[in-house]
Amino acid sequence: QVQVVQSGAEEKKPGASVKVSCKASGYTFTHHAVHWVRQAPGQGLEWMGWLNTGNGNTRYSQRFQDRVTITRDTSANTAYMELISLRFEDTAVYYCARRDGRTLDSWGQGTLVTVSS
Amino acid sequence: QSALTQPASVSGSPGQSITISCAGSSSDVGAYNFVSWYQQHPGKAPKLIIYDVTYRPSGVSNRFSGSKSGNTASLTISGLQAEDEADYYCGSYTSSNTDVFGTGTMVTVL
Repeated sequence: QVQVVQSGAEEKKPGASVKVSCKASGYTFTHHAVHWVRQAPGQGLEWMGWLNTGNGNTRYSQRFQDRVTITRDTSANTAYMELISLRFEDTAVYYCARRDGRTLDSWGQGTLVTVSS
Repeated sequence: QSALTQPASVSGSPGQSITISCAGSSSDVGAYNFVSWYQQHPGKAPKLIIYDVTYRPSGVSNRFSGSKSGNTASLTISGLQAEDEADYYCGSYTSSNTDVFGTGTMVTVL
């Protein structure tokens, strides 16, 4: 069955960077794009960007364009999201999700990133 | 890209029907039939319940249904049950080859 498993919680200082992983199983990794979404405490879902797992092309939200990089390792069936220059307001749960057609049908369990001094 | 607009909260009694709206623009909701709805219980990851405006994934109750008119999509929950109490988000593909989510709606079962 399709599974998407993310890396564990991270605590970072302002100005640092974080890299979250997203490992897929149960399907052909390069046949489905991966999206990244975040959710700040008590807030709604915010779309960050997506990765074409086949050719590595990416598309980012303008809000994160300058600070986010999404990559993949096809040999490991894993996608990565790196966010740099962290601020307090980047504290959030970060989700990856598999895209099927134009919908996000399988989500990871979420990774809490806490930015604290 | 601005977030799609949803009511902050909707409530209903068990057995009733409720409808959640999702207002977008001609660049997202109105442009394609690629609107999805997600259900999120506290502390859990979102779960897909409607895709491509009207389709339900396997295993999702037929009490959930979706529709769209112009730039506004809607999710209807019929026969409201206690387990339906959750946050609901719409999402849409956009003409910029990006995605956008709605502001989210808290559903309360009275």
